[in-house]
Amino acid sequence: DTGVSQNPRHKITKRGQNVTFRCDPISEHNRLYWYRQTLGQGPEFLTYFQNEAQLEKSRLLSDRFSAERPKGSFSTLEIQRTEQGDSAMYLCASSLDDRNPPLHFGNGTRLTVT
Amino acid sequence: SQQGEEDPQALSIQEGENATMNCSYKTSINNLQWYRQNSGRGLVHLILIRSNEREKHSGRLRVTLDTSKKSSSLLITASRAADTASYFCATELARDSNYQLIWGAGTKLIIKP
Repeated sequence: DTGVSQNPRHKITKRGQNVTFRCDPISEHNRLYWYRQTLGQGPEFLTYFQNEAQLEKSRLLSDRFSAERPKGSFSTLEIQRTEQGDSAMYLCASSLDDRNPPLHFGNGTRLTVT
Repeated sequence: SQQGEEDPQALSIQEGENATMNCSYKTSINNLQWYRQNSGRGLVHLILIRSNEREKHSGRLRVTLDTSKKSSSLLITASRAADTASYFCATELARDSNYQLIWGAGTKLIIKP
């Protein structure tokens, strides 16, 4: 068990550029979650997967955000046409399934949009 | 919107003292979880308490849950400098479940040596 891995750790991009983040969950975990966190706040739910199926997406999530988990293993989160308001920590978490909390988090990708 | 609200927002105590943080929520839950987050890192699960439980212990941690008041508390006894972190409560709502956790804004704990 090597834990949840996220890459890159930091990303600085210019407004209008596209960015993609990767998350490798714990290998036997079926559920994978993406959260966004800004300074002084708790995690804000973005979306989650059960294996390769995306089961829920936050209604607050812009259409510029898309996530995939093509083979039910790693996941990518893409933000198109980034805006300064997208600057945040993007956290990935995994869990065995819905009957087996808790969540195991990666160390996040910190995005700065200039 | 965030259902959990931690209190206080920030807490600064001397090493060796006990630290108590509170969490209130609004709707019925299946369980409540406490997580710790060191600066710039991901969250680490500390303890989970189910809705039919009233108290749980794990090492120096003690969590209580009062479902009638919709509140929980986290007590860290004999605090250490390494306990300096932000602490978050998260609730799993009592509905057929997509198992979505609702998070509070956290309590920032500083332990002074």
